[in-house]
Amino acid sequence: GAVVSQHPSRVICKSGTSVKIECRSLDFQATTMFWYRQFPKQSLMLMATSNEGSKATYEQGVEKDKFLINHASLTLSTLTVTSAHPEDSSFYICSAWSQGKVIEAFFGQGTRLTVV
Amino acid sequence: GEDVEQSLFLSVREGDSSVINCTYTDSSSTYLYWYKQEPGAGLQLLTYIFSNMDMKQDQRLTVLLNKKDKHLSLRIADTQTGDSAIYFCAESENRDDKIIFGKGTRLHILP
Repeated sequence: GAVVSQHPSRVICKSGTSVKIECRSLDFQATTMFWYRQFPKQSLMLMATSNEGSKATYEQGVEKDKFLINHASLTLSTLTVTSAHPEDSSFYICSAWSQGKVIEAFFGQGTRLTVV
Repeated sequence: GEDVEQSLFLSVREGDSSVINCTYTDSSSTYLYWYKQEPGAGLQLLTYIFSNMDMKQDQRLTVLLNKKDKHLSLRIADTQTGDSAIYFCAESENRDDKIIFGKGTRLHILP
C-alpha cells in the first residue's frame, strides 16, 4: 500500500542551527504534500501545503522564512527549520494523498525535533 | 474558517461502548475522518465517511453523521484496553485537500 516516510524520526539540534526534515512518498507520486506540527497533547496544526514545482502555501501565522519548504520532485518534500530555537521543538508530521481508487491521506511517522 | 471541535477526554469501562463526538463548522466538508494516535506513534486512519452518508459501520466502529447539525460521532463497541489512544476527528473539502483536525479526544479505559 501507499507509504509516506519521514526522515529523521528524531533530531536534536543546537539553537541557531538549521534542521532539514524529509518527507517521501515511497510508491506513489504526490504533487501536493502537507506539513503539520503537533505540540504535546495537542492537535495537529497545519503549517503549509507543499506544491511540487511551485511555492508552498503557508497557513496564517506560520513564518515562511523560518519554515522553508521545498517540493523539488513528485516524491519528495523537505521542511527546513532555519535558525532553530527551543520554541520550535515539536513533532512535525507530513502527509500526502494516495492515488487511485483508495481515498486516504497517508501520514509519515513524524519527526521529533528538540532544540537545545 | 474551518474549525473542528471535540471533547478532550473520555473515560469508559472495558466492554462498554465508547462514543466520541465532534462538531465542525465548514459546510463544504466532503470527507470526514476519524484518526487514532497511540502514544509515541503516528496517525492511523480508522474510518471515514462522505458527507452524503448518514452512517457507516466497520466491525466495532460505527460513524454517524448529522450533516444538518454538522455533528459527527464515533462509536466503538465492546471497548478494549487496546483502544486506549487519542482519537482525532478531521475533515477536508475534497480529496487531495488539506485535512483539518480537531484537538483530539483521549480515550481512557477503566478495568
